Amino acid sequence: EDQVTQSPEALRLQEGESSSLNCSYTVSGLRGLFWYRQDPGKGPEFLFTLYSAGEEKEKERLKATLTKKESFLHITAPKPEDSATYLCAVQGVGFNKFYFGSGTKLNVKP
Amino acid sequence: GAGVSQTPSNKVTEKGKYVELRCDPISGHTALYWYRQSLGQGPEFLIYFQGTGAADDSGLPNDRFFAVRPEGSVSTLKIQRTERGDSAVYLCASSLTEATDTQYFGPGTRLTVL
Repeated sequence: EDQVTQSPEALRLQEGESSSLNCSYTVSGLRGLFWYRQDPGKGPEFLFTLYSAGEEKEKERLKATLTKKESFLHITAPKPEDSATYLCAVQGVGFNKFYFGSGTKLNVKP
Repeated sequence: GAGVSQTPSNKVTEKGKYVELRCDPISGHTALYWYRQSLGQGPEFLIYFQGTGAADDSGLPNDRFFAVRPEGSVSTLKIQRTERGDSAVYLCASSLTEATDTQYFGPGTRLTVL
């Protein structure tokens, strides 16, 4: 069965301290890997879609990369407003459902 | 434009009761998903609609759960004989045409079964 594992479960950073979040996945043919941000009490907000190994996408302080087994979300010089839970999801070829990881809860302190 | 909306935002019910949760997708979006999210977990897929039909309902946990989308727009998730284990946030998402399109999530309905 398709699976997604995210690490670490929680991450505390000082403002400006860069780091990376990991998403390891097992899927029989990757159709897409998706990153979302979720703030407390809200629905997930789309960040990136990656389709093939080697692909990279950037948005402000965030950069997502993809290999055949995992994806990283790199956060450069984070700010307190980057504090949120970051979710990773995969979709397999020929399937409609998405499998989500449990997320990484990021806390950036000023 | 307006995003995905869900009503009610909170629902408290007693064990054994019937509940309906409503999702209004973004206008023109043909694909619609329902998810369930428990505390500290990621969303868990329940059902996917393409237009009016349920293209994939393999995530519905049992026959107490049912969802409809009669006119290809608004969807209702129905839960019969609720159990305490059904307590969670129920999320709805829509995308423009296909499952691979960007999904836009609603704020969710927090269901509490006492």
